[in-house]
Amino acid sequence: GENVEQHPSTLSVQEGDSAVIKCTYSDSASNYFPWYKQELGKRPQLIIDIRSNVGEKKDQRIAVTLNKTAKHFSLHITETQPEDSAVYFCAARNYGQNFVFGPGTRLSVLP
Amino acid sequence: GAVVSQHPSWVICKSGTSVKIECRSLDFQATTMFWYRQFPKQSLMLMATSNEGSKATYEQGVEKDKFLINHASLTLSTLTVTSAHPEDSSFYICSASGRAKNIQYFGAGTRLSVL
Repeated sequence: GENVEQHPSTLSVQEGDSAVIKCTYSDSASNYFPWYKQELGKRPQLIIDIRSNVGEKKDQRIAVTLNKTAKHFSLHITETQPEDSAVYFCAARNYGQNFVFGPGTRLSVLP
Repeated sequence: GAVVSQHPSWVICKSGTSVKIECRSLDFQATTMFWYRQFPKQSLMLMATSNEGSKATYEQGVEKDKFLINHASLTLSTLTVTSAHPEDSSFYICSASGRAKNIQYFGAGTRLSVL
């Protein structure tokens, strides 16, 4: 089955700097890769996603890149703000299969 | 985005009692619902997947007689933790996806504390 790894497990950046979180997956058939943000005690919220037929997607300060050959995808947050502090989960999915989540990255944006 | 409502948000119960958690999709038909368990500072662990009108599919290691899942309609799934014990204390989160099945929308989660 699918296995998703995520690095780093914790990340601290200064406000205004960029943050990058990387995930790798094992199943080459996976074709959908969402990223979720979970603030303490709250539900995971979808922040951006990418499908396998696209190499990059951007939404304001957030971008995701996908390298299908290497089977990894990354979340990029630019101009970080304190409200970006949260746990971020990547996931991988093959159509008709369940989502497999990475272990999460705790991002702290220091003022 | 779609709204998934989960109740209760927090429940405290005595050991040996059963607790029911509801997950409702408010503005779309949830053909598939997922139940996750999340330990502090850890990722989402899928417990089971349920499709409307059929039996839930449990992940390996999850006791189906302990965690009863019912998905009787396209807008409601329930998780019942039977004879709860302190080790069942955790954060339980449901999610739902529609016919496209591409996106999961999460409920707010239920914090279960078993005394």
